[in-house]
Amino acid sequence: EDQVTQSPEALRLQEGESSSLNCSYTVSGLRGLFWYRQDPGKGPEFLFTLYSAGEEKEKERLKATLTKKESFLHITAPKPEDSATYLCAVQAWANTGFQKLVFGTGTRLLVSP
Amino acid sequence: DGGITQSPKYLFRKEGQNVTLSCEQNLNHDAMYWYRQDPGQGLRLIYYSQIVNDFQKGDIAEGYSVSREKKESFPLTVTSAQKNPTAFYLCASRQNGRGSEAFFGQGTRLTVV
Repeated sequence: EDQVTQSPEALRLQEGESSSLNCSYTVSGLRGLFWYRQDPGKGPEFLFTLYSAGEEKEKERLKATLTKKESFLHITAPKPEDSATYLCAVQAWANTGFQKLVFGTGTRLLVSP
Repeated sequence: DGGITQSPKYLFRKEGQNVTLSCEQNLNHDAMYWYRQDPGQGLRLIYYSQIVNDFQKGDIAEGYSVSREKKESFPLTVTSAQKNPTAFYLCASRQNGRGSEAFFGQGTRLTVV
């Protein structure tokens, strides 16, 4: 069964305190791993797509990396406006032959000034 | 501007009533998805459609129905058979193919009164 597990569930950082969020996955035939940011009461906002082990993507204070079993979202010198829930998802083949997106439960990040 | 529009933003349903949530996209995407989000449970897939006039059940389809008569539209009906419909509902669309990201609407919060 395709599965995505994110840790930690919640993370509190001081402004400027760097850290990493983890996304481990088991999927038959990974066709893409995605990171999203979600603010309360809003829809998820796309951040990154990773396709293969060893790949890295960066955007401002965020950097996403991918191995064969997990992905990390590194946050360097975070600011309070980085506070949000970060979601990880994988694109997998359903047994119907269609593609589906499987999401983890997210990491709630709170950055204090 | 291209995007996904969900309506209404808030919806109240009486016991035993069917309600329909609207999702429209002008991104010319082939695939569309409906997710349900509950606190602490992440996004769970209700239904998805990869092409017009075809759709597949996701992990929690019981008590829900969909149609895909037009490429732009993927409405979700929450029927009276859904015993616990209070949740945040998210619609997404993406282009078929490897690694293409999904774009989300802003969500509909459904409450049973």
